[in-house]
Amino acid sequence: KQEVTQIPAALSVPEGENLVLNCSFTDSAIYNLQWFRQDPGKGLTSLLLIQSSQREQTSGRLNASLDKSSGRSTLYIAASQPGDSATYLCAGQAGTALIFGKGTTLSVSS
Amino acid sequence: GAGVSQSPSNKVTEKGKDVELRCDPISGHTALYWYRQSLGQGLEFLIYFQGNSAPDKSGLPSDRFSAERTGGSVSTLTIQRTQQEDSAVYLCASSFSGGSNEQFFGPGTRLTVL
Repeated sequence: KQEVTQIPAALSVPEGENLVLNCSFTDSAIYNLQWFRQDPGKGLTSLLLIQSSQREQTSGRLNASLDKSSGRSTLYIAASQPGDSATYLCAGQAGTALIFGKGTTLSVSS
Repeated sequence: GAGVSQSPSNKVTEKGKDVELRCDPISGHTALYWYRQSLGQGLEFLIYFQGNSAPDKSGLPSDRFSAERTGGSVSTLTIQRTQQEDSAVYLCASSFSGGSNEQFFGPGTRLTVL
């Protein structure tokens, strides 16, 4: 059974810091890895999708990488801003649906 | 539409009542998913529709849960005889054609069973 783990569960940083969020998964058959952002009381906003043929994706200050052999993905956020404060979820897909980690709650202070 | 929409945004019901939750996927998306987000449980898959194929119901927690998708577009998730443990946020997502395509989520319906 696919399991997705996110470390750390919570992270507080001052504005301007670069940071890395970690995601690990147990099933090497994964063919998609998607990162989402969730603001309190809101739905999920898709940030980046990495397909199995890719190793990384970039969007603005965000960069996500995927290493299937080690079962890990990382989300790198450059020059963090208070507006980045949210819960970040990674989700792996090895079958029909996405399997989600429990998220990392990020707080960026000004 | 511009994004996935869900209604109602909030639903409060009494234990034992039936509820219906609605999802409008992004226009042109053939794949539709329902997920549930409970406190302390994270997000869990419930059901998946792809075109006219039989739905994947493997995530439904009990036979009190069912879902339909009419005309390949709008979907309704029905929970019969609601229990307090059904309280959660129910999220709908759609993607262009399922498989490895990016999933886009709606804002969710927060269900509270008293």
